[in-house]
Amino acid sequence: GAGVSQSPSNKVTEKGKDVELRCDPISGHTALYWYRQRLGQGLEFLIYFQGNSAPDKSGLPSDRFSAERTGESVSTLTIQRTQQEDSAVYLCASSLDPSGAFFGQGTRLTVV
Amino acid sequence: EDQVTQSPEALRLQEGESSSLNCSYTVSGLRGLFWYRQDPGKGPEFLFTLYSAGEEKEKERLKATLTKKESFLHITAPKPEDSATYLCAVRYYGQNFVFGPGTRLSVLP
Repeated sequence: GAGVSQSPSNKVTEKGKDVELRCDPISGHTALYWYRQRLGQGLEFLIYFQGNSAPDKSGLPSDRFSAERTGESVSTLTIQRTQQEDSAVYLCASSLDPSGAFFGQGTRLTVV
Repeated sequence: EDQVTQSPEALRLQEGESSSLNCSYTVSGLRGLFWYRQDPGKGPEFLFTLYSAGEEKEKERLKATLTKKESFLHITAPKPEDSATYLCAVRYYGQNFVFGPGTRLSVLP
C-alpha cells in the first residue's frame, strides 16, 4: 500500500483481556518498528524487526508484551492480561534502511 | 548513555516570527538524524533526513541543519498551520530510532 496501515484504529478492552494490534508496513520496507506513546509523552521504543535478523526486543516493558513479523510483511503486537497502564497509542513504522521511518496513524488502546 | 534532547520544550511564536528548534545528541556512530512533525492524534510525519555534518535540507518554510553534536530546525515566517510537535530522532549502526521528547510549537495568527 501507499503507507503504513494499522488496525484497529481504536480499541477498548477490559483489564485482564488480551489484545492484538496489527501493522501492515510499506511494501518492500525491510525494517519495522513498534513504539508506544502515552498521552502527552514522547515515543517509547518497544521492538524492532530488520529483515531475517533476530528482532531487538529490548524495549518491551514486560513479558506480557510480544510481537511477531512474518517475513517482511505484516506484524502483530500482542499484549496479554492488559493493565490500565497499557493505555496508550501504539505506533508502527517501517523503513528501508538507512532512510527515515514512516509511521502509521496508530492504534489507540484504552484499558478499562 | 545514548541520548537525544530537544529544546525548547514549548515555543510560542507570532505568525511571521522566525525561530529555531534544537536537537542535541550524544550517540556515537550516527547513521542519520531525522526530523518529524506530529499533529495531535496522528502518527509522526517524516520531514527530513540528515546524514553528515554540514548537510542542510529545506522544505517550504522549514530548513534543517546538522553539526557533529546537534541539529537545528529553522522555521522562517511561520504560519498557524505550522503549529505541531516537532520530533527529532537519531539512528546509529544496526539500531532503531531514538527519539527526543519533542518541541511543541504554537504559531499565533
